[in-house]
Amino acid sequence: ETGVTQTPRHLVMGMTNKKSLKCEQHLGHNAMYWYKQSAKKPLELMFVYSLEERVENNSVPSRFSPECPNSSHLFLHLHTLQPEDSALYLCASSQTRVVAEAFFGQGTRLTVV
Amino acid sequence: KQEVTQIPAALSVPEGENLVLNCSFTDSAIYNLQWFRQDPGKGLTSLLLIQSSQREQTSGRLNASLDKSSGRSTLYIAASQPGDSATYLCAVKSGGADGLTFGKGTHLIIQP
Repeated sequence: ETGVTQTPRHLVMGMTNKKSLKCEQHLGHNAMYWYKQSAKKPLELMFVYSLEERVENNSVPSRFSPECPNSSHLFLHLHTLQPEDSALYLCASSQTRVVAEAFFGQGTRLTVV
Repeated sequence: KQEVTQIPAALSVPEGENLVLNCSFTDSAIYNLQWFRQDPGKGLTSLLLIQSSQREQTSGRLNASLDKSSGRSTLYIAASQPGDSATYLCAVKSGGADGLTFGKGTHLIIQP
């Protein structure tokens, strides 16, 4: 148990669906992150929130939309995804955005059909 | 742009052996380096964090070293056990960058 909880653990969705991934951290951290892990590729940073303020990441398609309503919760809203978006999506948190150990959740395995 | 490389990509050794996993990074301006373990289909478990001012960190049978000037880190696992089988990931926090930059990992199998 890392103190970072992700739900659901598994998700299958059609390309026209809308779904959301949820992340909750119980560590009192100020920074939260979404990463994408695809087969045979390194983990890729998608979004960063620090003190509930989003740090832009222009390389992520607009069909992925993050939301951080408070410092403990982070969502990733998904709509009109493509099959190549199938991956393990990992949430992480750290005390600060700069110099701190990162703690990861168990991930959501997303399959787009 | 920071790049992280891990060698070897895969390693299979008999139980009881000591082993070394390697990580290199291209930009030495880092804040810290973190080693993780990932079991199949699961999230990442933090093993060791080395700050840029430190040379090594130890936790149980694990020892990680950092040579920032040469852009290298090693993870030493002593007296390996079948339960150590997993993918080991190296990640760096670089100055001016958000989040961590990861290597592709070393897939480790410890044979009983």
